[in-house]
Amino acid sequence: AQTVTQSQPEMSVQEAETVTLSCTYDTSESNYYLFWYKQPPSRQMILVIRQEAYKQQNATENRFSVNFQKAAKSFSLKISDSQLGDTAMYFCAFLRANFGNEKLTFGTGTRLTIIP
Amino acid sequence: KAGVTQTPRYLIKTRGQQVTLSCSPISGHRSVSWYQQTPGQGLQFLFEYFSETQRNKGNFPGRFSGRQFSNSRSEMNVSTLELGDSALYLCASSFSTGNYEQYFGPGTRLTVT
Repeated sequence: AQTVTQSQPEMSVQEAETVTLSCTYDTSESNYYLFWYKQPPSRQMILVIRQEAYKQQNATENRFSVNFQKAAKSFSLKISDSQLGDTAMYFCAFLRANFGNEKLTFGTGTRLTIIP
Repeated sequence: KAGVTQTPRYLIKTRGQQVTLSCSPISGHRSVSWYQQTPGQGLQFLFEYFSETQRNKGNFPGRFSGRQFSNSRSEMNVSTLELGDSALYLCASSFSTGNYEQYFGPGTRLTVT
């Protein structure tokens, strides 16, 4: 079974600063995907970024980038030039890449607050 | 393109009753997954449907069931409600073609009294 650990329950940062959210996972699988999802207060979950385990290059999406360390089973999210709209719960998620499998295993989340 | 929609958005039920929640996926998406979100247990996978068949199932009691229709819309049913079933129930859809990206609906907030 896979486990996902987010060790930072809460974080806060000043607007325009850079913040890094941590995520570690445990799996014996070799082929998998990792995701970061964002859940703003009282709003729906949004996919932020995706990383395929077989790709060495770290994924980036505008101000969001990841640091994927496969050997260390670490998958952190960096948010650059943080904005007030980035205030949300952030969930790290694991998915075993097997056709027909759509089960996401989530971490407990990090509540990120951007301070004006 | 319309996103994932869920109805109703809020529900209040009494212990022992049953409830049905509905999810309409993004057009073209054939896979629908259901998750339960609670403060104590976090996000937990309930089950996933593809082409009207349950493909994956999480560790929930048999009181939790679901189905999928030919238009990919899905329903989940909880029978004999317990106080612990109070949660946000999230539905997610995907193409299920190997990119594994799931898109979530706004959820149904179920309160059991």
